[in-house]
Amino acid sequence: DTVLTQSPLSLPVTPGEPAAISCRSSQNLLNRNGYNYLNWYLQKPGQSPQLLIYLGSYRASGVPDRFSGGGSGTDFTLTISRVEAEDVGVYYCMQVLHSPYTFGQGTKLDFK
Amino acid sequence: EVQLVQSGAEMRKSGESLKISCTVSGYNFINSWIGWVRQVPGKGPEWMGSIYPANFDTIYRPSFQGQVTLSVDRAINTAYLQWSSLKASDTAMYYCARLNADVGHCEFDYWGQGSLVTVSS
Repeated sequence: DTVLTQSPLSLPVTPGEPAAISCRSSQNLLNRNGYNYLNWYLQKPGQSPQLLIYLGSYRASGVPDRFSGGGSGTDFTLTISRVEAEDVGVYYCMQVLHSPYTFGQGTKLDFK
Repeated sequence: EVQLVQSGAEMRKSGESLKISCTVSGYNFINSWIGWVRQVPGKGPEWMGSIYPANFDTIYRPSFQGQVTLSVDRAINTAYLQWSSLKASDTAMYYCARLNADVGHCEFDYWGQGSLVTVSS
């Protein structure tokens, strides 16, 4: 299976400050079509995961532009330019190139 | 508006069977894979498998192959996840999600609200 390793696992932040989460894959997620098959989700307490970023760097509809995704191949980063109160929750990366599809362990973001 | 509405919470005993559902609206059910994801309380999500309603094609995570069955009823735009013999370790929240595989996409973009399954021994 493709292992996704997220860091950090816990991310205490100050509102208004930036935050970054890393996701490293044990296999290359860059497809021959030029897209990286790596997506980012936020799961708020008691809710279903919600899509933030797809194919590595494309912001999903309705997602604030303070969220951005980058990276290629095996190393990816989710960046929040200025964290807001509504951003609290657990962030997961997920790869959809190699079956079985896999998730990272999750990064819990909360306020200091 | 795309919606995936799942059936409610279920409580069963070990060895019993169960079928939970995911009814979709707002898009053409036939043409998008539906995935199922398990999330044990306090743990991360785990993809179980996916089904393509157009031809009933299925892909299972090896650890779930033979343990669960994915199916669809195209007449009522509904996907199902079923167990023939539940175990206590099946206790979890189960989500269905639509896979958007249009050109330039490959993501589970819309998710159901989840169905909590509790299995007692």
